[in-house]
Amino acid sequence: QVQLVESGGGLVRPGESLRLSCAASGFTFSDYYMSWIRQAPGKGLEWVSYISSTGSSIYYAESVKGRFTISRDNGENSLYLQMNSLRAEDTAVYYCAREWGGVGVPRIDPWGQGTLVTVSS
Amino acid sequence: QSVLTQPPSVSAAPGQKVTISCSGSSSIIRHNYVSWYQQLPGTAPKLLIYDNDKRPSAIPDRFSGSKSDTSATLGITGLQTGDEADYYCGTWHSSLSTVVFGGGTKLTVL
Repeated sequence: QVQLVESGGGLVRPGESLRLSCAASGFTFSDYYMSWIRQAPGKGLEWVSYISSTGSSIYYAESVKGRFTISRDNGENSLYLQMNSLRAEDTAVYYCAREWGGVGVPRIDPWGQGTLVTVSS
Repeated sequence: QSVLTQPPSVSAAPGQKVTISCSGSSSIIRHNYVSWYQQLPGTAPKLLIYDNDKRPSAIPDRFSGSKSDTSATLGITGLQTGDEADYYCGTWHSSLSTVVFGGGTKLTVL
C-alpha cells in the first residue's frame, strides 16, 4: 500500500538547520508531485512547499521562502526538506504528502504520520 | 488570519446532518478547485473531497462537497461519533502560487 514515512525531526536552537526526509513506497514516486505541509501545536494546517515529479518546478510559502529548500531523489524514492535559519515559529509537525492533482489542483493524499520539529533555545 | 474562512466549530447529534462552510474571495474560490481534509484526533489528515465535489473511492457517500462563486461547503449526513474530527478546506491561491487552507472546523457529535 502507499506509504510515506518522515524522519529527521528534533529539537534545534533558533538559527540552526535541520534536514527532513520522507521515504515513499507503494507507488511510482517519480510520477507524482510531492508536498510538505506543517501544523504548529494546536493550530491548523500550513502548506510549506511543492515539488514537481521531475523536480523542475518548485513552489514555497512566503513564510519559508529563502530559508527552506525542497528536493527529491526519484532513484531513492525520497523527498527532502532542508530547513535553514530556523525560527521559533517554525515549530510544528511536518507532514510529507503526495499531490496527485498537480499545481493548481490540490489533491493531497496520502499524508505521512509527520515528524516534529521544535525550535527553542 | 486564513485566506479561507471556516467556522471554528460545529456540532450535531448522531444521525443528523451538518454542513461546514469555507468562504474566500471570488478570485480564489471561483477559479480553483477546493478539496477537504479530515483530521481525526492524533492522526494525519486524510483527503475527503477533491475537485469541489468528488470523493476518493474509500470515502463513504455520507460525505459530499459543493461550491459556489465565493464559498465551498462540506456536508456530512448520518453523523457518527467516529466523525468527530477537525475538517479543513484547501485550494490553490493563483496570485500567491501557493496552496491555502482554511483555519479548520472542529466537529463535535453530541
